[in-house]
Amino acid sequence: SQTIHQWPATLVQPVGSPLSLECTVEGTSNPNLYWYRQAAGRGLQLLFYSVGIGQISSEVPQNLSASRPQDRQFILSSKKLLLSDSGFYLCAWEPGLKAPTGELFFGEGSRLTVL
Amino acid sequence: AQKVTQAQTEISVVEKEDVTLDCVYETRDTTYYLFWYKQPPSGELVFLIRRNSFDEQNEISGRYSWNFQKSTSSFNFTITASQVVDSAVYFCALSGFNYGQNFVFGPGTRLSVLP
Repeated sequence: SQTIHQWPATLVQPVGSPLSLECTVEGTSNPNLYWYRQAAGRGLQLLFYSVGIGQISSEVPQNLSASRPQDRQFILSSKKLLLSDSGFYLCAWEPGLKAPTGELFFGEGSRLTVL
Repeated sequence: AQKVTQAQTEISVVEKEDVTLDCVYETRDTTYYLFWYKQPPSGELVFLIRRNSFDEQNEISGRYSWNFQKSTSSFNFTITASQVVDSAVYFCALSGFNYGQNFVFGPGTRLSVLP
């Protein structure tokens, strides 16, 4: 069966420090991968999506970036964190080879607090 | 542009009451998917249902039921005989038939079921 994991689960970082959140999917090939952010008490905002290795699309301009170095690995990064980067980050995947269904499967989430 | 509105920010009910969560969507697509996700306190999003725009039949799954009305662009979710474990944030979402970059979440409704 397919599983998705992301880490770290919790992160407290000072303003201006770098960030790296990692997400991996197991049990499937060529998934579409997504990073979402959920600010406190708010809905989900799509940050990045990827349909293949090295293919990244950004939905919202910001100081975050994403990379997909391997088929089932998706990394969210920042060189210098801002206070406004605090939030709950969710990685998600969907089958890529079949007709996309929009049925996203989410990871456990990573809670980032920037101080 | 696609948009999902969940007008109810927070709802509180007493256990065993029925509760309906409203969802209204906007899209110019003629074919699309609608979803409901549950986010319990642990944070992970759990998929509940997917409905495509061709199928307006209502669906029932145990205590959960969904009412899709294309004429009013609504996809409401009813929990019958609510339980404390139903307490969560519920998200309605809309997706095109293509890749999930068209996946749009509503702001969510926080449901609290009191014992």
